[in-house]
This record gives sequence, C-alpha cells and structure tokens, in this order.
Amino acid sequence: ETGVTQTPRHLVMGMTNKKSLKCEQHLGHNAMYWYKQSAKKPLELMFVYSLEERVENNSVPSRFSPECPNSSHLFLHLHTLQPEDSALYLCASSQEGTSGTYEQYFGPGTRLTVT
Amino acid sequence: RKEVEQDPGPFNVPEGATVAFNCTYSNSASQSFFWYRQDCRKEPKLLMSVYSSGNEDGRFTAQLNRASQYISLLIRDSKLSDSATYLCVVTRSYKLSFGAGTTVTVRA
Repeated sequence: ETGVTQTPRHLVMGMTNKKSLKCEQHLGHNAMYWYKQSAKKPLELMFVYSLEERVENNSVPSRFSPECPNSSHLFLHLHTLQPEDSALYLCASSQEGTSGTYEQYFGPGTRLTVT
Repeated sequence: RKEVEQDPGPFNVPEGATVAFNCTYSNSASQSFFWYRQDCRKEPKLLMSVYSSGNEDGRFTAQLNRASQYISLLIRDSKLSDSATYLCVVTRSYKLSFGAGTTVTVRA
C-alpha cells in the first residue's frame, strides 16, 4: 500500500449510530489531518495531529471525536450525527519540518451519508 | 472576508487554448502557496507549489504576487484531461486554507 488510504470509502449511517472512519498513511509523515468537504464549499479543516498530539481543533462539534494512536494512523469516531454532517471526509498527511512548505497528501476520502 | 477567494468559473475553453485565473488571500503572514487539482468526487492532488519567483511545470505556470496578495495559474495548450477544479491553497505553519476552487472545462 502506498500513499494515504481511507476506509470505508462509503458509509451510510443513521443519526443514532456510532461508526469510525480510519486513515492510514504510508509516507513516513509526522502530521495528519481531517477535513470535511461539503458540496460547493471549500475544504474545512477539522483536526490536526502533529507528532501524535492534537494541535488544532477547529470548533468541531463533539459528535466528531478524533484519535491518533500513532503517526501512521488516524481515526474519526462518529456518534449521533446530523443530516448536515453528510459530506466527503478527507484525511491528509504531511511532513512537518523547518521548510514550512507543508505539502499535504490526501486519501481518497469517505463519502458519508447520514439518514 | 474569506481567507482565500477564487473565481468559481466555470471557464469553458476549447482544446489548445490558454486559460488563466487568480486566487487572492487575506493574510499577509501566509507562508506557502500551492495549486491543487480535484477531479469530480475525487481527492485533491498537488499540482504544483508556487514560488516567489514564479515557476513553470510543463504547460502550467504559477505566479505569486505578495504585494497584492494573489497567486495565479496559467494553463497553455489545454488538453481535455485538464478539465477539473483547481484549488488555491495558502498555508501558515501546518494549517492549510483552501479556496472553493475554479472549475475548468476543456471541450473538444
């Protein structure tokens, strides 16, 4: 496996369900990100983990709960979601360093539908 | 004011044409700049970084104007495969801010 992978690719869940999205990066990067992309809107940064510590939480509702057990894996735990949470959820990784370029590489995304 | 603004388009151009579009950013402390490409229902993919002196990658040319706080992308000799949404990305430290994208459609 190369690059950034995400599972599942598609998810349909009810508002009372609990599910988790998984992301894995095989690039040796030290930072990982969750983004939300709704139709016709820019990508919204949700969470940033740098060296396995959460460094950014962009006012995301508590029904989204991230977890980063190590530098290669990132999870997004979902519970009691709302229909407006339906979107494409993208994971990305980058190598944080002194260069400041922070090029990010994205996984294919999980298309989530909340019914 | 949005942190990154782009003309949504769409830009409809014939094959072989040149198309160019800009992106403006509001934070003068922005450090790095990129163009990403996103195909329909796919993830964004890095197209090119944008350097202060301007840079070229094949048919693609990117420019940065720090004084006026905008970056540009020019595509020469457009191909059908260039049809996509082009996302302007501006960074401060690890935080990337994305524009909503400019849609380009190249027709035969």
